[in-house]
Amino acid sequence: AQSVTQLGSHVSVSEGALVLLRCNYSSSVPPYLFWYVQYPNQGLQLLLKYTTGATLVKGINGFEAEFKKSETSFHLTKPSAHMSDAAEYFCAVSVGGGKLIFGQGTELSVKP
Amino acid sequence: DTEVTQTPKHLVMGMTNKKSLKCEQHMGHRAMYWYKQKAKKPPELMFVYSYEKLSINESVPSRFSPECPNSSLLNLHLHALQPEDSALYLCASSVGETQYFGPGTRLLVL
Repeated sequence: AQSVTQLGSHVSVSEGALVLLRCNYSSSVPPYLFWYVQYPNQGLQLLLKYTTGATLVKGINGFEAEFKKSETSFHLTKPSAHMSDAAEYFCAVSVGGGKLIFGQGTELSVKP
Repeated sequence: DTEVTQTPKHLVMGMTNKKSLKCEQHMGHRAMYWYKQKAKKPPELMFVYSYEKLSINESVPSRFSPECPNSSLLNLHLHALQPEDSALYLCASSVGETQYFGPGTRLLVL
């Protein structure tokens, strides 16, 4: 069965520091992978996605993620954190038929 | 344009009330979804409509009744809800495997 594991329910970084949010997945078929961001009292916004092709995908707000099949990982990074990046981040894998399997989420805090 | 709109933004209802949530998209997406999200948790899938037909019902209690009047609209009718149904209700639509979410309706059941 497909599953998604996000390591660390809470990550705290200083402004200007590297952001690294970890996501590992299990899938019996080539995965479609997604990162969503959720700001307080808002819906989920698509940050980026991997479907096929280039394994390094760039998203909005300076985020990028690399699909590593050998490690079954899809970690999200940003070189320099900004205060406005503070939010909840969800990694998800598509299992077909309209279903997304979400990780438990990682809350990112950014310290001034 | 990847916008999904939802109304109302907030809703307070008693356990005997009947209310409806509305979702709309004009991106030509043929699949639409309802999710329920509790605080600090990922969204939980409730219903999927594909080409205006219900394709997935994740064993949701009958006090939640979805409706898809046309390809752009999705409603969720609520009746006799319980306080534990208080949550953020998210609508989404998709093209291929990519889902786009609305801002949600914050529901409080008293």
